[in-house]
Amino acid sequence: GQNIDQPTEMTATEGAIVQINCTYQTSGFNGLFWYQQHAGEAPTFLSYNVLDGLEEKGRFSSFLSRSKGYSYLLLKELQMKDSASYLCAALDSNYQLIWGAGTKLIIKP
Amino acid sequence: DAEITQSPRHKITETGRQVTLACHQTWNHNNMFWYRQDLGHGLRLIHYSYGVQDTNKGEVSDGYSVSRSNTEDLPLTLESAASSQTSVYFCASSLQGRDTGELFFGEGSRLTVL
Repeated sequence: GQNIDQPTEMTATEGAIVQINCTYQTSGFNGLFWYQQHAGEAPTFLSYNVLDGLEEKGRFSSFLSRSKGYSYLLLKELQMKDSASYLCAALDSNYQLIWGAGTKLIIKP
Repeated sequence: DAEITQSPRHKITETGRQVTLACHQTWNHNNMFWYRQDLGHGLRLIHYSYGVQDTNKGEVSDGYSVSRSNTEDLPLTLESAASSQTSVYFCASSLQGRDTGELFFGEGSRLTVL
Protein backbone atom coordinates (compact mmCIF):
# COMPACT_ATOMS: atom_id res chain seq x y z
CA GLY A 1 0.00 0.00 0.00
CA GLN A 2 0.93 3.64 -0.19
CA ASN A 3 1.95 5.41 2.98
CA ILE A 4 3.40 8.65 4.27
CA ASP A 5 4.82 8.85 7.79
CA GLN A 6 5.66 12.01 9.67
CA PRO A 7 5.75 12.86 13.39
CA THR A 8 2.46 13.97 14.89
CA GLU A 9 3.82 16.90 16.87
CA MET A 10 7.08 18.73 17.47
CA THR A 11 8.06 21.58 19.74
CA ALA A 12 10.85 24.09 19.12
CA THR A 13 12.06 27.41 20.46
CA GLU A 14 11.80 30.76 18.73
CA GLY A 15 15.02 31.54 16.86
CA ALA A 16 16.09 27.89 16.70
CA ILE A 17 16.18 25.36 13.84
CA VAL A 18 13.82 22.44 13.45
CA GLN A 19 13.77 19.51 11.04
CA ILE A 20 10.53 17.73 10.20
CA ASN A 21 11.03 14.30 8.70
CA CYS A 22 8.84 12.44 6.25
CA THR A 23 9.16 8.92 4.87
CA TYR A 24 7.08 7.70 1.97
CA GLN A 25 6.14 4.50 0.20
CA THR A 26 4.30 5.00 -3.05
CA SER A 27 3.57 3.23 -6.30
CA GLY A 28 6.00 5.16 -8.44
CA PHE A 29 7.19 8.63 -7.57
CA ASN A 30 6.83 11.99 -9.27
CA GLY A 31 7.82 14.38 -6.55
CA LEU A 32 7.58 15.30 -2.88
CA PHE A 33 5.64 18.33 -1.68
CA TRP A 34 5.49 20.23 1.59
CA TYR A 35 2.56 22.37 2.61
CA GLN A 36 2.01 24.66 5.57
CA GLN A 37 -1.38 24.85 7.26
CA HIS A 38 -2.18 27.33 10.00
CA ALA A 39 -5.00 26.36 12.35
CA GLY A 40 -8.37 26.99 10.77
CA GLU A 41 -6.89 27.84 7.40
CA ALA A 42 -6.23 26.11 4.09
CA PRO A 43 -2.92 24.44 3.27
CA THR A 44 -0.47 26.52 1.25
CA PHE A 45 2.33 25.19 -0.94
CA LEU A 46 5.86 25.46 0.46
CA SER A 47 8.20 23.34 -1.62
CA TYR A 48 8.65 20.67 -4.28
CA ASN A 49 11.49 18.17 -4.70
CA VAL A 50 11.81 15.60 -7.44
CA LEU A 51 15.58 15.17 -7.59
CA ASP A 52 17.83 14.18 -4.71
CA GLY A 53 19.25 17.05 -2.75
CA LEU A 54 18.42 20.22 -0.96
CA GLU A 55 16.15 23.00 -2.20
CA GLU A 56 16.50 26.25 -0.30
CA LYS A 57 13.89 28.95 -0.18
CA GLY A 58 14.64 31.65 2.36
CA ARG A 59 14.36 30.30 5.91
CA PHE A 60 12.84 27.04 4.64
CA SER A 61 14.73 24.21 2.95
CA SER A 62 13.54 20.82 1.79
CA PHE A 63 15.64 17.73 1.21
CA LEU A 64 14.90 14.56 -0.73
CA SER A 65 16.53 11.13 -0.92
CA ARG A 66 14.67 9.03 -3.46
CA SER A 67 16.67 5.88 -2.71
CA LYS A 68 15.67 6.09 0.96
CA GLY A 69 12.11 7.30 0.42
CA TYR A 70 12.89 10.16 2.75
CA SER A 71 12.44 13.90 2.90
CA TYR A 72 12.78 16.58 5.49
CA LEU A 73 11.71 20.18 5.85
CA LEU A 74 14.19 22.42 7.64
CA LEU A 75 13.00 25.64 9.20
CA LYS A 76 15.63 28.12 10.36
CA GLU A 77 15.39 31.18 12.60
CA LEU A 78 12.01 30.07 13.84
CA GLN A 79 9.36 32.70 14.33
CA MET A 80 6.12 32.45 16.28
CA LYS A 81 4.20 32.66 13.00
CA ASP A 82 5.80 29.34 11.97
CA SER A 83 3.50 27.60 14.46
CA ALA A 84 1.41 25.50 12.09
CA SER A 85 0.93 22.01 10.75
CA TYR A 86 3.31 20.89 8.03
CA LEU A 87 1.95 18.39 5.53
CA CYS A 88 4.14 16.05 3.49
CA ALA A 89 2.71 14.64 0.26
CA ALA A 90 4.14 12.40 -2.45
CA LEU A 91 2.99 12.35 -6.06
CA ASP A 92 2.64 8.75 -7.23
CA SER A 93 2.93 7.25 -10.70
CA ASN A 94 -0.68 8.23 -11.49
CA TYR A 95 0.05 11.83 -10.48
CA GLN A 96 -2.10 11.39 -7.40
CA LEU A 97 -1.00 13.09 -4.19
CA ILE A 98 -0.61 10.79 -1.18
CA TRP A 99 -0.80 12.85 2.02
CA GLY A 100 0.70 12.41 5.44
CA ALA A 101 -1.40 13.26 8.49
CA GLY A 102 0.71 16.34 9.15
CA THR A 103 3.15 17.46 11.84
CA LYS A 104 1.92 20.09 14.28
CA LEU A 105 4.82 22.41 15.08
CA ILE A 106 4.60 24.36 18.32
CA ILE A 107 6.97 27.29 18.73
CA LYS A 108 7.75 28.46 22.26
CA PRO A 109 9.21 31.87 23.12
CA ASP B 1 -6.07 38.24 -8.81
CA ALA B 2 -6.95 34.65 -9.53
CA GLU B 3 -8.52 32.78 -6.65
CA ILE B 4 -10.51 29.76 -5.56
CA THR B 5 -13.59 30.27 -3.42
CA GLN B 6 -15.86 27.91 -1.55
CA SER B 7 -19.38 28.38 -0.26
CA PRO B 8 -20.85 28.10 2.21
CA ARG B 9 -17.97 28.44 4.67
CA HIS B 10 -20.07 26.92 7.43
CA LYS B 11 -23.09 24.66 7.16
CA ILE B 12 -25.19 22.77 9.67
CA THR B 13 -27.61 20.23 8.29
CA GLU B 14 -29.61 17.22 9.37
CA THR B 15 -29.06 13.57 8.62
CA GLY B 16 -30.61 12.55 5.33
CA ARG B 17 -30.66 15.98 3.72
CA GLN B 18 -28.94 16.72 0.42
CA VAL B 19 -26.14 19.26 0.66
CA THR B 20 -24.11 20.93 -2.07
CA LEU B 21 -20.80 22.67 -1.48
CA ALA B 22 -19.74 25.06 -4.20
CA CYS B 23 -16.21 25.59 -5.49
CA HIS B 24 -15.27 28.24 -8.04
CA GLN B 25 -11.77 28.96 -9.34
CA THR B 26 -10.51 31.70 -11.63
CA TRP B 27 -7.03 30.21 -12.16
CA ASN B 28 -8.22 28.53 -15.37
CA HIS B 29 -6.83 25.27 -14.03
CA ASN B 30 -7.92 22.03 -15.62
CA ASN B 31 -7.48 19.97 -12.45
CA MET B 32 -9.88 20.32 -9.53
CA PHE B 33 -10.11 18.27 -6.36
CA TRP B 34 -12.30 17.83 -3.31
CA TYR B 35 -10.72 16.71 -0.04
CA ARG B 36 -11.99 16.19 3.46
CA GLN B 37 -9.83 16.77 6.50
CA ASP B 38 -10.47 15.13 9.85
CA LEU B 39 -8.37 15.08 13.02
CA GLY B 40 -5.79 12.33 12.90
CA HIS B 41 -6.09 11.87 9.17
CA GLY B 42 -4.30 13.43 6.28
CA LEU B 43 -6.24 15.07 3.52
CA ARG B 44 -8.42 12.41 1.95
CA LEU B 45 -9.43 12.67 -1.67
CA ILE B 46 -13.16 12.49 -2.39
CA HIS B 47 -13.45 13.24 -6.10
CA TYR B 48 -11.36 14.90 -8.73
CA SER B 49 -11.61 16.20 -12.28
CA TYR B 50 -9.03 16.74 -14.98
CA GLY B 51 -11.26 18.80 -17.19
CA VAL B 52 -14.80 19.58 -18.33
CA GLN B 53 -17.07 16.52 -18.26
CA ASP B 54 -14.34 14.49 -16.55
CA THR B 55 -14.90 13.22 -12.99
CA ASN B 56 -13.16 10.50 -11.02
CA LYS B 57 -13.63 8.84 -7.65
CA GLY B 58 -11.09 9.27 -4.90
CA GLU B 59 -10.42 7.08 -1.90
CA VAL B 60 -13.50 8.18 0.09
CA SER B 61 -16.11 8.82 -2.60
CA ASP B 62 -19.05 6.86 -1.17
CA GLY B 63 -21.99 9.18 -0.48
CA TYR B 64 -20.56 12.04 -2.57
CA SER B 65 -20.90 13.12 -6.19
CA VAL B 66 -19.48 15.87 -8.39
CA SER B 67 -20.11 17.29 -11.82
CA ARG B 68 -17.88 19.43 -14.05
CA SER B 69 -19.86 21.39 -16.62
CA ASN B 70 -17.29 24.18 -17.04
CA THR B 71 -13.65 24.87 -16.17
CA GLU B 72 -14.37 27.12 -13.19
CA ASP B 73 -16.74 25.05 -11.03
CA LEU B 74 -16.75 21.69 -9.28
CA PRO B 75 -19.70 21.43 -6.89
CA LEU B 76 -19.67 18.60 -4.35
CA THR B 77 -23.01 17.02 -3.45
CA LEU B 78 -23.76 14.87 -0.45
CA GLU B 79 -26.78 12.89 -1.58
CA SER B 80 -28.05 12.01 1.89
CA ALA B 81 -25.91 13.53 4.62
CA ALA B 82 -24.66 11.27 7.40
CA SER B 83 -23.02 12.17 10.73
CA SER B 84 -19.82 10.52 9.47
CA GLN B 85 -19.64 13.26 6.85
CA THR B 86 -19.15 15.95 9.48
CA SER B 87 -15.80 17.36 8.42
CA VAL B 88 -13.90 20.25 6.91
CA TYR B 89 -14.00 20.11 3.13
CA PHE B 90 -11.35 21.68 0.93
CA CYS B 91 -11.57 22.32 -2.77
CA ALA B 92 -8.29 22.69 -4.67
CA SER B 93 -7.07 23.21 -8.21
CA SER B 94 -3.82 22.72 -10.07
CA LEU B 95 -2.19 22.74 -13.46
CA GLN B 96 -1.44 19.49 -15.28
CA GLY B 97 1.70 17.43 -15.44
CA ARG B 98 4.63 18.30 -13.18
CA ASP B 99 2.63 21.04 -11.50
CA THR B 100 -0.21 18.70 -10.59
CA GLY B 101 1.05 18.48 -7.02
CA GLU B 102 1.13 22.24 -6.46
CA LEU B 103 -2.42 22.75 -5.30
CA PHE B 104 -4.23 26.00 -4.68
CA PHE B 105 -6.79 25.51 -1.94
CA GLY B 106 -10.04 27.22 -1.14
CA GLU B 107 -10.66 28.48 2.40
CA GLY B 108 -12.58 25.36 3.38
CA SER B 109 -16.20 24.55 4.20
CA ARG B 110 -16.98 23.27 7.68
CA LEU B 111 -19.97 20.91 7.53
CA THR B 112 -21.78 19.63 10.59
CA VAL B 113 -24.37 16.87 10.16
CA LEU B 114 -26.69 16.48 13.14
